Amino acid sequence: QLQLQESGPGLVKPSETLSLTCTVSGGSISSSSHFWGWIRQPPGKGLEWIGNIYYTGSTRYNPSLRSQVTISVDTSKNQFSLKLTSATAADTAIYYCARGIYNSAWLHLDSWGQGTLVTVSS
Amino acid sequence: DIQMTQSPSTLSASVGDRVTITCRASQSVSSWLAWYQQKPGKAPELLIYKASSLESGVPSRFSGSGSGTELTLTISSLQPDDLATYYCLQYDSFPYTFGQGTKLEIK
Repeated sequence: QLQLQESGPGLVKPSETLSLTCTVSGGSISSSSHFWGWIRQPPGKGLEWIGNIYYTGSTRYNPSLRSQVTISVDTSKNQFSLKLTSATAADTAIYYCARGIYNSAWLHLDSWGQGTLVTVSS
Repeated sequence: DIQMTQSPSTLSASVGDRVTITCRASQSVSSWLAWYQQKPGKAPELLIYKASSLESGVPSRFSGSGSGTELTLTISSLQPDDLATYYCLQYDSFPYTFGQGTKLEIK
């Protein structure tokens, strides 16, 4: 049974870097049939796609966040990570990691972590 | 970016009702659309992918249809457990974009 678990600080100061890690269990992050993604949801609002990464390190980012965001993968630890620089209150959200289906193309997200709330505040 | 517009934004229906939620895309997404159910305080869960393919384990009362710029999610007979917000996601092109959500309330 695949499980994804987000971890990282729940409180980040404005202008600092938000860093989260997603640990994958019950499956290999090096699977050629899957990719890994980050999505966020401000409290009480809708979903925003942040970006995807394939185990090779190939990435796709939301242009609206491209200058702030880096997604990386550590196959030795079966983890992938999100870094968002220069955080502001607008980055306060529940952050979800997810698995997606890859079949010669980036397809849909099929399994999500439980999410972690990150608040940006001094 | 492809804009996804869901309608209605909120929906109140009775147990046993047939419910339809629509996603309209600003340009064609072909069939590259998924539907998710998000219950209060929980992560989204996949219901439908590729517009009409039912995810394993999802009740058969859920179905998806359409292609191009108008796609729909139908619940054939609403159950109390279906209280949730429903989102569409287009993955035809980057950036992936979600609809704004449809909050389904049970009368």
